[in-house]
Amino acid sequence: EVQLVESGGGLVKPGESLRLSCAASGFTFSNAWMNWVRQAPGKGLEWVGRVKTKTDGGTADCAAPVKGRFTISRDDSKNTLYMQMNSLKIEDTGIYYCSTRIGDHWGQGTLVTVSS
Amino acid sequence: SYELTQPPSVSVSPGQTARITCSGDTLAKKYAYWYQQKPRQAPVLVIYDDNKRPSGIPERFSGSSSGTMATLTISGAQVEDEADYYCYSVDSSANHGVFGGGTKLTVL
Repeated sequence: EVQLVESGGGLVKPGESLRLSCAASGFTFSNAWMNWVRQAPGKGLEWVGRVKTKTDGGTADCAAPVKGRFTISRDDSKNTLYMQMNSLKIEDTGIYYCSTRIGDHWGQGTLVTVSS
Repeated sequence: SYELTQPPSVSVSPGQTARITCSGDTLAKKYAYWYQQKPRQAPVLVIYDDNKRPSGIPERFSGSSSGTMATLTISGAQVEDEADYYCYSVDSSANHGVFGGGTKLTVL
């Protein structure tokens, strides 16, 4: 059974940092491009970024609102996806999901709240 | 920039056909994906590669795409299909993803 379990969310002040993790199991993680998607309270889904497999270059790309502040990485030896979030803003508040490339599997999400 | 546009809401009676559209230039060259999201739950993939249905998704869900528009069709919508639906695709370089704004489907 495929499982994605996010962790690392919490309450932080504007300008602070957080690192989210997504532990994967039940599939060959190293063969999977992975996404981060977020959802602000009462709003729609927003693509945050994704990382390719090492075979495909291992590069990560992020959406414009977070580019330069968020960094996505992966550790295939630990079957874990990460997202380092720096210089957090109030508008970064929301539930953060990790998902597989086409979204056939999602985690349950982790809540990030940025508030002074 | 690239965007996907969906109607904010669609309403049908049980047993009727619901159609949710998604328009955007990227759809002319890239696949559309559709997700169903119920309150306080993670999204669920209902259509991928324009018109393929994952295992476990009822046959009443179907997808199509033509030019710059993709359509999710729910034939004989059920009360349990009431949810938010999002389309998704990628830009021409496949380096960035984009979601539509979402459509709230009401079945009553």
